[in-house]
Amino acid sequence: EDQVTQSPEALRLQEGESSSLNCSYTVSGLRGLFWYRQDPGKGPEFLFTLYSAGEEKEKERLKATLTKKESFLHITAPKPEDSATYLCAVKANAGKSTFGDGTTLTVKP
Amino acid sequence: DTAVSQTPKYLVTQMGNDKSIKCEQNLGHDTMYWYKQDSKKFLKIMFSYNNKELIINETVPNRFSPKSPDKAHLNLHINSLELGDSAVYFCASSQERSPLHFGNGTRLTVT
Repeated sequence: EDQVTQSPEALRLQEGESSSLNCSYTVSGLRGLFWYRQDPGKGPEFLFTLYSAGEEKEKERLKATLTKKESFLHITAPKPEDSATYLCAVKANAGKSTFGDGTTLTVKP
Repeated sequence: DTAVSQTPKYLVTQMGNDKSIKCEQNLGHDTMYWYKQDSKKFLKIMFSYNNKELIINETVPNRFSPKSPDKAHLNLHINSLELGDSAVYFCASSQERSPLHFGNGTRLTVT
């Protein structure tokens, strides 16, 4: 069975304090690893897709990386508006996306 | 605007009632999904339809019945609602290896 584990469960940072979120996974036939951001009262919003080990994607203060066992979401010099829950998901050959429990990020000004 | 839209946004009802949630996407995607998000934010897939055909049916009580009249619509009907059904239900759509596009959720509260 596909499994996704995210850590930490919650992360509190000061504005400008860089850090990383971890997503460990086991999947039979990875068709893609996805990062989403979810704000309160909203649906998850797509951030990045990574397809193969070694791949990296960047967008503003966020950078996602992928190995054969885990993915990291690096946040550089975060701002309060980066506060949200970040979800990692893997899509397997069966077409089903399995989500982790998420990391709730709070950035204090 | 292109999007996944679901209605209603809030649904408060009593135990034993039957209710429906509607979902529509205008992204031209072939696959639509229902996910349940519990109070701990965990998203669990319930159903998936590809071009009106059921392709994923997780371990969900028979009281939940999805219906897809066409590939742009996926509705969820719930019979005999129970307290444990209280959650946020998300509709989503996607195409092949592309990411999921989510609606903004329906918060169901069963009293």
